[in-house]
Amino acid sequence: SYELTQPPSVSVPPGQTASITCSGDKLGDRYACWYQQKPGQSPVLLIYQDSKRPSGIPERFSGSNSGNTATLTISGTQAMDEADYYCQAWDSSTAVFGGGTKLTVL
Amino acid sequence: EVQLVESGGGLVKPGGSLRLSCAASGFTFSSYSMNWVRQAPGKGLEWVSSISSRSSYIYYADSVKGRFTISRDNAKNSLYLQMDSLRADDTGVYYCARDQLGSSDYGMDVWGQGTTVTVSS
Repeated sequence: SYELTQPPSVSVPPGQTASITCSGDKLGDRYACWYQQKPGQSPVLLIYQDSKRPSGIPERFSGSNSGNTATLTISGTQAMDEADYYCQAWDSSTAVFGGGTKLTVL
Repeated sequence: EVQLVESGGGLVKPGGSLRLSCAASGFTFSSYSMNWVRQAPGKGLEWVSSISSRSSYIYYADSVKGRFTISRDNAKNSLYLQMDSLRADDTGVYYCARDQLGSSDYGMDVWGQGTTVTVSS
């Protein structure tokens, strides 16, 4: 079965750029999405089709996808961005989520 | 307001059954494919099942295939998940989620608040 691998945790000082990676076999040949989930809340779609932002998502969130790796980049990271982040892609009509990355802003 | 509201969760014994519902409002439900996604306590997101707008295409995760059944009633703007032969590892929060623009290519853009399922003796 298809797997997506994320680092369990990433730390970033406030105001700096955070990068969260998601690795999977030929992931660049598929569309990748990214979700943010804060404690006790439902997930929120941040990025779809590798790099597109739904309305209402701040411009500091951006995405890319090439080769075997998709990357979520958060520019000018704010304290409110501290959350769990999940990548997701489809494989043979099955949705696959990465294991999630806890972003700490410190 | 676009909204999804899940219900039907609860405590059930191993081997038991439960039926989850998801009530949609604020959008044309019949135009969107829908998903169930779950999250075990302290764990990540796990896709469970999806159904196309007219129920023509239905897919399941291997972990629930043969035990869970997804369905929808477009006249009632509702999505369902019938869960049978429940196991302890089915415990978690179950979310319904909408495929943006009615296609899985665009991500899941609307999520409910979740309903909690606990399988324990």
